[in-house]
Amino acid sequence: GAGVSQSPSNKVTEKGKDVELRCDPISGHTALYWYRQRLGQGLEFLIYFQGNSAPDKSGLPSDRFSAERTGESVSTLTIQRTQQEDSAVYLCASSLGLNPTYEQYFGPGTRLTVT
Amino acid sequence: AQSVSQHNHHVILSEAASLELGCNYSYGGTVNLFWYVQYPGQHLQLLLKYFSGDPLVKGIKGFEAEFIKSKFSFNLRKPSVQWSDTAEYFCAHATGTASKLTFGTGTRLQVTL
Repeated sequence: GAGVSQSPSNKVTEKGKDVELRCDPISGHTALYWYRQRLGQGLEFLIYFQGNSAPDKSGLPSDRFSAERTGESVSTLTIQRTQQEDSAVYLCASSLGLNPTYEQYFGPGTRLTVT
Repeated sequence: AQSVSQHNHHVILSEAASLELGCNYSYGGTVNLFWYVQYPGQHLQLLLKYFSGDPLVKGIKGFEAEFIKSKFSFNLRKPSVQWSDTAEYFCAHATGTASKLTFGTGTRLQVTL
């Protein structure tokens, strides 16, 4: 079956521009997670959704970052006024639910480069 | 804050050598530990996981990991590596009800023929 998909796969943007990253989770997965990986660092949790609700936004690095999810499907991560330190690979994962026994399936990521 | 440490950043082994990658976690509460692998050009995928019970867990492709509570460790092992095991390996810990994963910085394994 189809896995988690993300678009675009690569995005180069100028500092100060806004970007929107998209994630399509596996059908039926109610939980959706966003992580990012900066060069030389581990994956860093950003935000999760249960359905279209995001109870914990504590991982978002600043108020320039926001995310939303439509029902139990597509999610978008928006970064406003991008900065060079936002350059990273942004990964999305989905799972059947929030219980840690449910495996998180990862997408291929979006590589964001801010010039 | 919870943290996961992987002390080996880059490991080079010959085929058939034994592998052990270290992982230490800081969280003293409920233990939900994972090893993920990312093969070149592929998505991150789950190798194995530990929640409770037998501290020696077996995963896919002949990998296993041992949970040692007293050492806060969850090291990954494989008796005999293959060239196809060349990949980046990430240890992770899920915390809280939301299963947020805290990852280590990863270990790049290169297996030579």
